[in-house]
Amino acid sequence: TQLLEQSPQFLSIQEGENLTVYCNSSSVFSSLQWYRQEPGEGPVLLVTVVTGGEVKKLKRLTFQFGDARKDSSLHITAAQPGDTGLYLCAGESGGSYIPTFGRGTSLIVHP
Amino acid sequence: NAGVTQTPKFQVLKTGQSMTLQCAQDMNHNSMYWYRQDPGMGLRLIYYSASEGTTDKGEVPNGYNVSRLNKREFSLRLESAAPSQTSVYFCASSEIRGGDTQYFGPGTRLTVL
Repeated sequence: TQLLEQSPQFLSIQEGENLTVYCNSSSVFSSLQWYRQEPGEGPVLLVTVVTGGEVKKLKRLTFQFGDARKDSSLHITAAQPGDTGLYLCAGESGGSYIPTFGRGTSLIVHP
Repeated sequence: NAGVTQTPKFQVLKTGQSMTLQCAQDMNHNSMYWYRQDPGMGLRLIYYSASEGTTDKGEVPNGYNVSRLNKREFSLRLESAAPSQTSVYFCASSEIRGGDTQYFGPGTRLTVL
């Protein structure tokens, strides 16, 4: 059973469109992170959210942590081809040292 | 700063052969991790080391062993490779715990024939 469920699994859009990626769980997370992975490379951290209801913005990317700290979303405004990649959410639950990753959302933005 | 380095970058093995994947970090991090990544499966934790001298199993430890040689280095060994171990392997490190930012290496692409 996957602790963190991401949706959609795949997304193919045109440049300029908006999109939202979701990360959901039945567990409460003390913190949740979003990573982006480009082909042939390791994931790179985009943001960490810690407080329930928290909203963070990174240029055209908006990240939100649910009030109950069980879910998160990533919204991209006016997507660009450079946004293409695999978006992964990851979290730490219950004080464990073991991080949990979702299966990822593969995004392709066509010029 | 090199960050997290992994060797080799590519490897082809025959079933039954053994090999060791090397990982080193220069950020003085306490925790280190080994993941495998398969299509549609995300990142799955194989083993982790919360601090020098300790190692623990993750989600998919069968067929693997690890050694935390010192604070910098964390190696992953396949004693008898199987085709099911064909995957991309990532090493990562974090300052203290899993919820901290993880820094990943570039990955090792392993094929077992």
